[in-house]
Amino acid sequence: QKEVEQNSGPLSVPEGAIASLNCTYSDRVSQSFFWYRQYSGKSPELIMSIYSNGDKEDGRFTAQLNKASQYVSLLIRDSQPSDSATYLCAVNINFGNEKLTFGTGTRLTIIP
Amino acid sequence: GAGVSQSPSNKVTEKGKDVELRCDPISGHTALYWYRQSLGQGLEFLIYFQGNSAPDKSGLPSDRFSAERTGGSVSTLTIQRTQQEDSAVYLCASRQRQGYGELFFGEGSRLTVL
Repeated sequence: QKEVEQNSGPLSVPEGAIASLNCTYSDRVSQSFFWYRQYSGKSPELIMSIYSNGDKEDGRFTAQLNKASQYVSLLIRDSQPSDSATYLCAVNINFGNEKLTFGTGTRLTIIP
Repeated sequence: GAGVSQSPSNKVTEKGKDVELRCDPISGHTALYWYRQSLGQGLEFLIYFQGNSAPDKSGLPSDRFSAERTGGSVSTLTIQRTQQEDSAVYLCASRQRQGYGELFFGEGSRLTVL
């Protein structure tokens, strides 16, 4: 089992709709969770971080964390063509270890 | 500096040659990470530094790969006797605070081994 798993997609969503991206992780003691966006040919940039169970909202983005079920998700409301990118889930797998493990990413395409 | 700086941005080398990739993190960031990204793939963890020490180097693919960090700042990733499968973008990132906070990535060094 991979430490961090994501559906590779591609995921196609109409403009204005909600895009839902999911990520599962293997280690129950994971502490920190991040969503990064990566445009083609560019470096990843942070979208959201979440550390506690529940929802965290920032503008059109909402991160959801459920530690009991070991999943973290990202919702993008009112999707825009500029949201088309690969979204990477990252997890601090082991408490006290600063290693940040990334999933393989989900490629999202917003259809105008 | 203002951001994470990596050099060279592009490197083409012949199989069997050694290469050095450099990373200059954001000033004051204590943690520094190296990742590798092959075409169309996710980020593969290589190694991270806390200060000058490397608590986790579990991702280094083979003993041809090594990395060091000096003065708690600049890091160098060295690949000896390069192979074609080493071709990838090597990304460096730095982080200000232990355990929390985002990683800031450099623009990467694209390595092509002919």
